[in-house]
This record gives sequence, C-alpha cells and structure tokens, in this order.
Amino acid sequence: NAGVTQTPKFQVLKTGQSMTLQCAQDMNHNSMYWYRQDPGMGLRLIYYSASEGTTDKGEVPNGYNVSRLNKREFSLRLESAAPSQTSVYFCASRWDRTEATNEKLFFGSGTQLSVL
Amino acid sequence: SQQGEEDPQALSIQEGENATMNCSYKTSINNLQWYRQNSGRGLVHLILIRSNEREKHSGRLRVTLDTSKKSSSLLITASRAADTASYFCATGPNTGFQKLVFGTGTRLLVSP
Repeated sequence: NAGVTQTPKFQVLKTGQSMTLQCAQDMNHNSMYWYRQDPGMGLRLIYYSASEGTTDKGEVPNGYNVSRLNKREFSLRLESAAPSQTSVYFCASRWDRTEATNEKLFFGSGTQLSVL
Repeated sequence: SQQGEEDPQALSIQEGENATMNCSYKTSINNLQWYRQNSGRGLVHLILIRSNEREKHSGRLRVTLDTSKKSSSLLITASRAADTASYFCATGPNTGFQKLVFGTGTRLLVSP
C-alpha cells in the first residue's frame, strides 16, 4: 500500500504563477485534508473534504482552491502564487465511521513550495 | 489561531532519560491525539486519548489528559536517539465534524 501520495515533492514558483498540488490515497478513506506547515506555526488547516463531493474551508483558505476529484484524489490549487504561500504542504486522509468519530490521520510526505 | 500550544518548544536530553511534553488547548474537545514528525517527513500518529479518559499507554508512551485544566502531557520513557523528532498534539472539537487542529510542536533531541 502506498498510503497517501503527494506530488510534486519540491516546487519553485514565481509570484503570480499558478500550480496544482496533487494528492491521492489508496486506503478508501472518506475524508481528506490539506495543511500547511510554517516554522513556529505548527500545521494549519487550509481546506478539507469530509466526503466525496464536499469541500469546506479550514483556518487559512485565502489564496487556495481545492477539488475532490473522486474518493481517492484531493487537489490543492494556487491560482496566483504569493511569497506568503512559501511553505510545506501536507495532504492527509482518514477513515471516518461517522461524522462525529475521530480516527487517526495518515499524512503524505509533503510538498516543499517556494514562491519567489 | 492554533488550538494547542506545546511546552516546551524544544527539549534536549540524553539517551535513557524520560522526556515530557505538555499541550494546552482552548476549547472543549472530543479527543486529543499526539503525532510525531521526523525531519523532512510527514506526521505519524502515535496515540489518541478520548475526553472521558485520563491516561493511556502505548509501549514507552504515556499520555494523560486533564479536561478541567485543558491540558495533556506526553511522556516518553527511556528515550532513544531514534526518538529525536518533533511532537505535535492535535484536538478534535466537542461536536460536529472532527477536523483536527494542531499545536505548534515540541522539538525533541535525544543525544547518545
């Protein structure tokens, strides 16, 4: 099992460029998440998808869009990259018995993004 | 804003010593989880403790939860150099969809 796979692992963008971060999981998980990690800030939730066909904003959604393409895939798009979006991005997924249950998150290995 | 704050921000110990990290949070929770992150890698789940539990063990890990003080602690006994990593607490809200909110983390360095 590959678990949660993120691509690319590294990316350098110029201000104003766009790109899409890809994430796929092969564990038949219901919910998927995008976090960003900045030094001294821990992980902050950007967007999440509680189930296929739904997406919701997290703590820091500005400047990002997401697509839950199917149950396996959840992509994160930067339409016009800014230096403030320089960060490490993590995708995660989880199997949920119900909306109110909380199991552990499985994380991808991250995408290191630099915006110049 | 972050839900959890870990304390200390950094901890340096010798192999064989115990390491204790603390997490404080702000609102009522359903459960609290601890994760570990090795340098340059994604986070890995360590242990989950529910709001009606006070203590939980897993191998060399011991987690306590005090909901009256809104705090949790993670104890790693007999630390090894391989325990060197960052440790994060994460909380799930008391009601509704369980989206986890992470703390700022504790960097643990275990020297041989």
